[in-house]
Amino acid sequence: DQQVKQNSPSLSVQEGRISILNCDYTNSMFDYFLWYKKYPAEGPTFLISISSIKDKNEDGRFTVFLNKSAKHLSLHIVPSQPGDSAVYFCAASGGGANSKLTFGKGITLSVRP
Amino acid sequence: SAVISQKPSRDICQRGTSLTIQCQVDSQVTMMFWYRQQPGQSLTLIATANQGSEATYESGFVIDKFPISRPNLTFSTLTVSNMSPEDSSIYLCSVGVWVLHYEQYFGPGTRLTVT
Repeated sequence: DQQVKQNSPSLSVQEGRISILNCDYTNSMFDYFLWYKKYPAEGPTFLISISSIKDKNEDGRFTVFLNKSAKHLSLHIVPSQPGDSAVYFCAASGGGANSKLTFGKGITLSVRP
Repeated sequence: SAVISQKPSRDICQRGTSLTIQCQVDSQVTMMFWYRQQPGQSLTLIATANQGSEATYESGFVIDKFPISRPNLTFSTLTVSNMSPEDSSIYLCSVGVWVLHYEQYFGPGTRLTVT
């Protein structure tokens, strides 16, 4: 049973436009969420995170929105750049001492020049 | 942040053999994790390896198949034992760090192919 779902396997957007990557979760114990970017042959790179006490967190071109009632979060990238083309993983944690992460399957983002 | 290196970066191994993957961190960290990413799949946690305690394995993973060592706060190894083609995956080391908030950093991964 997938507890973190990224239902769209891929997304293609034009350079300069907004990219919106969606993520849904089923476990109500999750209280901390992270987004990672992964290039081929590299490990995932941390992008941005959000705690369940917030509904928005911004870092430069990246904004994450959290809707707890809908168990949904989204990553907005504005403006999108060709270098943003990568696989994006959503991950969730229930906090606690070991803070292990549960990952979604990832979304492949392609930004067209 | 933490900089993590892994050795080897990739390997091709024969069925029935074992491979030990090394993970080195540039700073002392308590929490270390080992993940697996099978082709086309998400990252799956194999085990949590905190220094000074036995590794904690997730459901579906056992110590006999994936023994882990954590001799100090900057180093860990994961062994994939008695390999079969189903073990072909990318294996990733990760560390958990509390700064202003919690972050997990990942190594570059070890791409294992079992023939």
